[in-house]
Amino acid sequence: SQQGEEDPQALSIQEGENATMNCSYKTSINNLQWYRQNSGRGLVHLILIRSNEREKHSGRLRVTLDTSKKSSSLLITASRAADTASYFCVPPPRVNYGGSQGNLIFGKGTKLSVKP
Amino acid sequence: DAGVIQSPRHEVTEMGQEVTLRCKPISGHDYLFWYRQTMMRGLELLIYFNNNVPIDDSGMPEDRFSAKMPNASFSTLKIQPSEPRDSAVYFCASSSLAGNEQFFGPGTRLTVL
Repeated sequence: SQQGEEDPQALSIQEGENATMNCSYKTSINNLQWYRQNSGRGLVHLILIRSNEREKHSGRLRVTLDTSKKSSSLLITASRAADTASYFCVPPPRVNYGGSQGNLIFGKGTKLSVKP
Repeated sequence: DAGVIQSPRHEVTEMGQEVTLRCKPISGHDYLFWYRQTMMRGLELLIYFNNNVPIDDSGMPEDRFSAKMPNASFSTLKIQPSEPRDSAVYFCASSSLAGNEQFFGPGTRLTVL
């Protein structure tokens, strides 16, 4: 399986500002997932974007995917203190002969801090 | 559905004691994953099951760790004997298909003194 690499490692902004997090991966994918983890909590799935989609929206979230550059970005608009969390991009597991491995690999994430 | 359920939420034990963590996946999900998270190593996959069968346990640190899934609605992760370096948050997650969205439980915070 492969993992995504998030950039920056840490991001600090003021409430109301937009936050942009980037992700790079190494091999071809058919989709990419983004997860959020608030401190001390389990991860929560935010959005899945497929390889034939360039952009996808969900509320204040906007995700882009550029398969030619093997990169994705997550934009949070009008950030709130509650958006303070770590964000992870996760490519799908590699499909081996006999079927998918099934496991997602999580990287280090981007730690977002939104100050009130 | 109540989501993935884990118990206990917190566990404090002494070195050498046996620890058993429990997980109930979302009904109908065929995949169950056990992760461990620490500040130093981040989120690590320990083992995952498909239809109650362990598929990949290469992430299990050593023989002190064992996991079982006796039926589709229950799994355990056991550490025997426990050591201070096992202190971490252990998450259980489930999904319906390979590579699909995973639903995480709230985690068990384990402290081994």
